[in-house]
Amino acid sequence: AQKITQTQPGMFVQEKEAVTLDCTYDTSDPSYGLFWYKQPSSGEMIFLIYQGSYDQQNATEGRYSLNFQKARKSANLVISASQLGDSAMYFCAMREDTDKLIFGTGTRLQVFP
Amino acid sequence: DTEVTQTPKHLVMGMTNKKSLKCEQHMGHRAMYWYKQKAKKPPELMFVYSYEKLSINESVPSRFSPECPNSSLLNLHLHALQPEDSALYLCASSQPDRDWAEAFFGQGTRLTVV
Repeated sequence: AQKITQTQPGMFVQEKEAVTLDCTYDTSDPSYGLFWYKQPSSGEMIFLIYQGSYDQQNATEGRYSLNFQKARKSANLVISASQLGDSAMYFCAMREDTDKLIFGTGTRLQVFP
Repeated sequence: DTEVTQTPKHLVMGMTNKKSLKCEQHMGHRAMYWYKQKAKKPPELMFVYSYEKLSINESVPSRFSPECPNSSLLNLHLHALQPEDSALYLCASSQPDRDWAEAFFGQGTRLTVV
C-alpha cells in the first residue's frame, strides 16, 4: 500500500506567486517524521523542511512552510514568492520508527516568468 | 560540513565488469543509505547501514553488494549488472533511530550498463 501520496504530477506557478504542493500519508505509528526534498535536474536531493508528528506548530524555513493537518494525514508544502530557481521535482517523504525514509512519487514544479 | 560525497559522478560499465560506487560523509552520522532512482521515479531504498551494520536490505539482487568499512564510508560493489540497472544511485546519511533526523544526500552516481 502506498504510504506517501502526491497526487499532482506537475504544477505551474508564476514567479512571485505562492504555490502549494500536496502530500498525504498513511501510518499507524504515533511517532513519525515528514520531510520535503527538492531535486533539481542535477540529481541531488536537497532537504527543505521537516515536521514531526508531535509538533504543535507548522514548520517554516524561509520561503517554505509546511501545512500539517494531522487528523487528515496531510503535510502540504507551501512555497511563497516563487522564484525561477524553484523549478524542480519535489518529493514528500516519511520516516516511521525505523531507519527507513520512503518517498512519494513527486511533483514537478515549473515556475514561469 | 553538511556534505555527502559520492564518486564517481558518472559510470559506464559492461555487463561483465566489476565496479564500485563510493560514498563518504564526515557529519558523524551513524546511518547510511543506498537508494536507486530511475528516471521520473522517486528514490527506492536499497540498503541501510546503522552503526556500520546492515539493518535493512530491500530484497536487492545479489549483484549489488554493499559494504560499510567504517562510520564515514559506504561502498556499493557492482558485478554482472543488467541494462535495467542503469539509474541514478544516491547515497544518504542521517542519525539513526530518530524520526526527526533529516537525511543528507550526495549528488549521486549516474550509472549506465551497456
